[in-house]
Amino acid sequence: EDKVVQSPLSLVVHEGDTVTLNCSYEVTNFRSLLWYKQEKKAPTFLFMLTSSGIEKKSGRLSSILDKKELFSILNITATQTGDSAVYLCAVGIIQGAQKLVFGQGTRLTINP
Amino acid sequence: NAGVTQTPKFRVLKTGQSMTLLCAQDMNHEYMYWYRQDPGMGLRLIHYSVGEGTTAKGEVPDGYNVSRLKKQNFLLGLESAAPSQTSVYFCASSLPYSNQPQHFGDGTRLSIL
Repeated sequence: EDKVVQSPLSLVVHEGDTVTLNCSYEVTNFRSLLWYKQEKKAPTFLFMLTSSGIEKKSGRLSSILDKKELFSILNITATQTGDSAVYLCAVGIIQGAQKLVFGQGTRLTINP
Repeated sequence: NAGVTQTPKFRVLKTGQSMTLLCAQDMNHEYMYWYRQDPGMGLRLIHYSVGEGTTAKGEVPDGYNVSRLKKQNFLLGLESAAPSQTSVYFCASSLPYSNQPQHFGDGTRLSIL
């Protein structure tokens, strides 16, 4: 059974802190790992990672994939209250079409 | 620039009633998906479609039916709603390449009493 596990499930920090969110997976037919940010409504796409060791960056957010150890991390530096959201990790697998297997999400709260 | 639009946004049903959720995308995407999101369980795939006229089962298809009569629309039907189907339903679409992400609608919050 394909499985994606995120940790921690919930995290509360102060504005300006740096956070690291974790995602481990156990799937067949791995194609990619994706990170999404979900505030009130639609999950919005952050990163797609397909190769080990290559960091992807967007402003204060960065992510890296380790395909040998089967995990990814999402780092957010100098956090702001607008970073408060649920962060979803999903693994793309190929079974007829590209499907996503999601983790439970990490609820991140940034206090001023 | 609408992207993925879901209607309705909220709905309350009684057990045994039927309804259809509509998803429309204007990005000319081949692939479309329906997920449900429950507390503590992430998103789970219900059904998906790789093109007009084709549908396939996902992880949790029981109690749902789908149709893709037009490329831009993907309908999710509940024939006889049950309280266990109380959830937030998300539609997504994507291009048919493994290096392309899925884009999500804002969701439909459905309560079955």
